[in-house]
Amino acid sequence: EAQVTQNPRYLITVTGKKLTVTCSQNMNHEYMSWYRQDPGLGLRQIYYSMNVEVTDKGDVPEGYKVSRKEKRNFPLILESPSPNQTSLYFCASSLDRVNYGYTFGSGTRLTVV
Amino acid sequence: GQQVMQIPQYQHVQEGEDFTTYCNSSTTLSNIQWYKQRPGGHPVFLIQLVKSGEVKKQKRLTFQFGEAKKNSSLHITATQTTDVGTYFCAGPTSTSGTYKYIFGTGTRLKVLA
Repeated sequence: EAQVTQNPRYLITVTGKKLTVTCSQNMNHEYMSWYRQDPGLGLRQIYYSMNVEVTDKGDVPEGYKVSRKEKRNFPLILESPSPNQTSLYFCASSLDRVNYGYTFGSGTRLTVV
Repeated sequence: GQQVMQIPQYQHVQEGEDFTTYCNSSTTLSNIQWYKQRPGGHPVFLIQLVKSGEVKKQKRLTFQFGEAKKNSSLHITATQTTDVGTYFCAGPTSTSGTYKYIFGTGTRLKVLA
């Protein structure tokens, strides 16, 4: 089944404890992206990747890191999480940035205390 | 930066009534896509519009792309309880040198039986 797999689904952590949210797609998609969703703010892009080893900042990149060492994987890293990073996170992928719809993962609800 | 706003933010309708959400971009869009997110779920791609003035239909849903390619609308005829969710418009940014894909703020639809 074509899908984007995110893990974990739920995570509660403490301020400053490094964490990684994994994202993997099995559709050979070029473009991958991370979004955070907060009430009233819609989906805001954190980072995106056009292809392997090509990543760039979205609109809200502060406090996050990403890597794209393989085409299928695009992990999101929070080196020192803070409470303002409490949010619902989605990974998404598409065949390319412009011409195709995006497939989303099921989401990761992160709480930083 | 480029912004995409949607109105209204919330809409409650009686089952059987019509519903419309509007999407407005601060700059011209090369194309626009629409997504639906059910409560507790992830965004799911509905449709893509590319041409100026384009109108597409999916059963009771009608999507329209503005002549200036800066706005779009989604109209649902005779809403049903299955239409409940948040509807987002989205599109690739047109800013030179960036390859973002941004979402509107979303319209949350509640249908009262």
